[in-house]
Amino acid sequence: QLQLQESGPGLVKPSETLSLTCTVSGGSIYSSSYYWGWIRQPPGKGLEWIGSIYYSGSTYYNPSLKSRVTISIDTSKNQFSLKLSSVTAADTAVYYCARVPVGMDAFDIWGQGTMVTVSS
Amino acid sequence: QSVLTQPPSVSGAPGQKVTISCTGSSSNIGAGYHVHWYQQLPGTAPKLLIYGNSNRPSGVPDRFSGSKSGTSASLAITGLQAEDEADYYCQSYDISLRGSVFGGGTKLTVL
Repeated sequence: QLQLQESGPGLVKPSETLSLTCTVSGGSIYSSSYYWGWIRQPPGKGLEWIGSIYYSGSTYYNPSLKSRVTISIDTSKNQFSLKLSSVTAADTAVYYCARVPVGMDAFDIWGQGTMVTVSS
Repeated sequence: QSVLTQPPSVSGAPGQKVTISCTGSSSNIGAGYHVHWYQQLPGTAPKLLIYGNSNRPSGVPDRFSGSKSGTSASLAITGLQAEDEADYYCQSYDISLRGSVFGGGTKLTVL
């Protein structure tokens, strides 16, 4: 069955760029049937949508993060990635990647999440 | 605060029914966009519980049901069990923000 796995540094310094990759296994990321998204959850708080990408490379970002976010897709590696620049302690969170079936708009399959701490 | 409003907590005894509300506005739920619900057990990733207002993914017990009316939606859990103790989140699309929005989450305690 389809699985998603986040990977990347668990510690990032303030003002630097957070970079995470989501590897998709058990299915192809190159599909017109799905979007692929990033969601984060600060410790003890709720979920926040960061952005999503389509297999064609079209991207959609949360307006509150848009100036700092870049999501890209590498269909040859079956991966998509997140870059968040100029991070602060407020960006400390568990970061999840997830799949969104076209027309459904719900995140139906999630990765296990990866904790990223912003600290010097 | 979150675009979608949920009560911070609800509780119920085993076997009882609880309902969790999710209130939005004319730019999201009221605009006709679907509402989805997620269950997050402690220390785990969220799991899709209800999609498209009232549809259950395969494997989700029929004790869980969803509904939508106007600018609000609700998740009902009947026959409450200890394993239902978790955080529950609603999610929809917001046309003004042009993206997905979540509720602040509701912690369900089974007494």
